[in-house]
Amino acid sequence: AQSVSQHNHHVILSEAASLELGCNYSYGGTVNLFWYVQYPGQHLQLLLKYFSGDPLVKGIKGFEAEFIKSKFSFNLRKPSVQWSDTAEYFCAVNALLNTGFQKLVFGTGTRLLVSP
Amino acid sequence: DAGITQSPRYKITETGRQVTLMCHQTWSHSYMFWYRQDLGHGLRLIYYSAAADITDKGEVPDGYVVSRSKTENFPLTLESATRSQTSVYFCASSEMGGIHNQPQHFGDGTRLSIL
Repeated sequence: AQSVSQHNHHVILSEAASLELGCNYSYGGTVNLFWYVQYPGQHLQLLLKYFSGDPLVKGIKGFEAEFIKSKFSFNLRKPSVQWSDTAEYFCAVNALLNTGFQKLVFGTGTRLLVSP
Repeated sequence: DAGITQSPRYKITETGRQVTLMCHQTWSHSYMFWYRQDLGHGLRLIYYSAAADITDKGEVPDGYVVSRSKTENFPLTLESATRSQTSVYFCASSEMGGIHNQPQHFGDGTRLSIL
């Protein structure tokens, strides 16, 4: 079955530190990959997505992610985090249901706390 | 305002009771979804709908019922609530499904506690 692994459940950083959150997926077909962010008390918002083309994807708020097919990875990075980046981050991959519908499979999330 | 509105935001009920969570979107998106969010599991798909009167099961549909008589509404009903259904529920919508699954837009969630 398709799955997404986020190995870092909690990350604590100081402001200006660099961030890298790991995401590994298992899916044999063509993949579409996503990173969502959930700020405290808010709904999920799309940070960035990869469908095809350049494996280095740039998203909003200075985030980027690199799709490495050989490693089944789609890690999220930011060179210098801010206190406002404190949130929970979810990686997701498309997966095919037996109805033919493509659904999203989410990882368990990584809680990032940035201290000022 | 445009977007996805979920109601109620918070709900406490007892086991065995029926409870309905409402979801309304103003974009006229074809696809709508219900997820539950639990610690250690991330988000899991309960049901989805490709259009009015078309619904189908996701990963964890047991104990839930959905309907979609109108494009903009997608209520989720727990017919006889159990403690294991205590969770945060998110409604989402997207313009397209299929292999070009567009990013989904999420509501603010409903925090449901079953005592």
